[in-house]
Amino acid sequence: DAGVTQSPTHLIKTRGQQVTLRCSPKSGHDTVSWYQQALGQGPQFIFQYYEEEERQRGNFPDRFSGHQFPNYSSELNVNALLLGDSALYLCASSQTGQGVTGYTFGSGTRLTVV
Amino acid sequence: AQSVTQPDIHITVSEGASLELRCNYSYGATPYLFWYVQSPGQGLQLLLKYFSGDTLVQGIKGFEAEFKRSQSSFNLRKPSVHWSDAAEYFCAVGNNQGGKLIFGQGTELSVKP
Repeated sequence: DAGVTQSPTHLIKTRGQQVTLRCSPKSGHDTVSWYQQALGQGPQFIFQYYEEEERQRGNFPDRFSGHQFPNYSSELNVNALLLGDSALYLCASSQTGQGVTGYTFGSGTRLTVV
Repeated sequence: AQSVTQPDIHITVSEGASLELRCNYSYGATPYLFWYVQSPGQGLQLLLKYFSGDTLVQGIKGFEAEFKRSQSSFNLRKPSVHWSDAAEYFCAVGNNQGGKLIFGQGTELSVKP
């Protein structure tokens, strides 16, 4: 049973560019949450998607946007990249009704902005 | 405000020694509490979780944690640390409504031979 899959594992972007990160949830899961983990910090909640809609959002600017597809996979898009966007981006999937109790995390995408 | 505090940024223990990692939380609703472990460059692995019931919970890899409502604490313990336990440990709090977890800053554990 595959867990949460994130791609790519690493990428380097230049300031001002745009980036798309991808997440495939664990089999049977229909909710996807995204977190940003800066170096030396704990993960911070970006937003959560369910039924192809953003259900909850953390304190992140509109440059951060997302999408969920009918197969429950999700994308995180970041526009106008800043150096401060360099971080590990984690995706977590869960099943409706489980909430945080059923989270499974992926291994993350390491984004470096130069 | 909702928050999680892990007072110890870095802890070093000798292999075979006992371990306690501290976690304090501030949360308005009934808290769901978690401990995760993260190895370098990896995602988060759930060690244990507490929702209700017995305040002493057992997790994987020989870890346990005790919920103390009066102290707003959820400290993680292990009686005998192994070199493979060296990693970053995160305490987190949430509820079962919003699906959002609030994490502490993490405690880095080093294990001396």
